[in-house]
Amino acid sequence: DAGVTQSPTHLIKTRGQQVTLRCSPKSGHDTVSWYQQALGQGPQFIFQYYEEEERQRGNFPDRFSGHQFPNYSSELNVNALLLGDSALYLCASSLVQGGNGYTFGSGTRLTVV
Amino acid sequence: DQQVKQNSPSLSVQEGRISILNCDYTNSMFDYFLWYKKYPAEGPTFLISISSIKDKNEDGRFTVFLNKSAKHLSLHIVPSQPGDSAVYFCAASGGGATNKLIFGTGTLLAVQP
Repeated sequence: DAGVTQSPTHLIKTRGQQVTLRCSPKSGHDTVSWYQQALGQGPQFIFQYYEEEERQRGNFPDRFSGHQFPNYSSELNVNALLLGDSALYLCASSLVQGGNGYTFGSGTRLTVV
Repeated sequence: DQQVKQNSPSLSVQEGRISILNCDYTNSMFDYFLWYKKYPAEGPTFLISISSIKDKNEDGRFTVFLNKSAKHLSLHIVPSQPGDSAVYFCAASGGGATNKLIFGTGTLLAVQP
């Protein structure tokens, strides 16, 4: 049973560029959440998608946007990249009615130069 | 404003002894607490959780204690094993296990053989 799959694993971008990260949730899960983990910090909640709509959003600017597709997979888009966007981006899936919390992917390491 | 705090960045314990990891929170609306373990280059892995209606939850070598009046929780690992060496994150949620999680900054546990 495949867990949460994220692609790519590593990415290097230049300031001002745009990036798209992808996530396939664990089989049977219907909700996808995105987290940003900066070096030495805990993961910070970006947003959560369910039924192709953004349900909750953390304290991130509008440069961060997302999408969920009918097959529950999701994309995270970041526009006008800043050096401070360099981080590990984690995708987590869950069941909206479930009580077992999230399953996390291994993340995408984004470096902005 | 750090709502979930792990004040010990690191902890070193001898194999076979007890490891105690601590976490404090400030938001009294949190009603669900989780511990995740993270190895390098992997996503966080769920360890154990506790609802605010309980004060203790056990799962094998892992026990989580919740003191609501002190807004404090702790994770006990007995006995500690070298394979437990990892970063441990405490997380809290205000709406159950699949609502957005607020993470602490993590504690690096090193179990010495």
